[in-house]
Amino acid sequence: DQQVKQNSPSLSVQEGRISILNCDYTNSMFDYFLWYKKYPAEGPTFLISISSIKDKNEDGRFTVFLNKSAKHLSLHIVPSQPGDSAVYFCAARNNNDMRFGAGTRLTVKP
Amino acid sequence: DGGITQSPKYLFRKEGQNVTLSCEQNLNHDAMYWYRQDPGQGLRLIYYSQIVNDFQKGDIAEGYSVSREKKESFPLTVTSAQKNPTAFYLCASSMPVVNTGELFFGEGSRLTVL
Repeated sequence: DQQVKQNSPSLSVQEGRISILNCDYTNSMFDYFLWYKKYPAEGPTFLISISSIKDKNEDGRFTVFLNKSAKHLSLHIVPSQPGDSAVYFCAARNNNDMRFGAGTRLTVKP
Repeated sequence: DGGITQSPKYLFRKEGQNVTLSCEQNLNHDAMYWYRQDPGQGLRLIYYSQIVNDFQKGDIAEGYSVSREKKESFPLTVTSAQKNPTAFYLCASSMPVVNTGELFFGEGSRLTVL
């Protein structure tokens, strides 16, 4: 039973444009949502998070939006840069139980 | 430097053998985790531990075992009962849940069964 889903395995955008990565979840008990970035053969690194009591959190070029009624969150990257090319994982937390989506591979073309 | 150390980075195993992957952290984190990554499947939770001497099964615990005798250490044993052990294994630890609880990951261990 996959509680966190990222339905787009890949996304390609042009440098300077917006990248939008989507994530859906099923467990209404999740209280924190996080995005991680991963390069091949490395561990994921934390990018940005949002509490379930908020609907938006912004950090520089990265903004996460949460729609609790739809059990949906998204990560916006503006403007996208070639160095943003990586696999992005959505994660959701219920106490110390952290679940991840399957990831979306973002490619930013120069 | 504070962080999470996984070893070995690469490991080869013959079928029928048990292997143990090491995970050590010096971040003073209470919670530790083991995930498995397969192509197209993201990170799947094997086991997690909230405190010493306590651990819970994740989604794919069958064929794996863990121990948490020390706060700093959370080794994972891949037993011969695990049907498809070839994968990339990631260990992580997290800050207290009163914060975001973000996970800090090690660099991973790639296990290949010959």
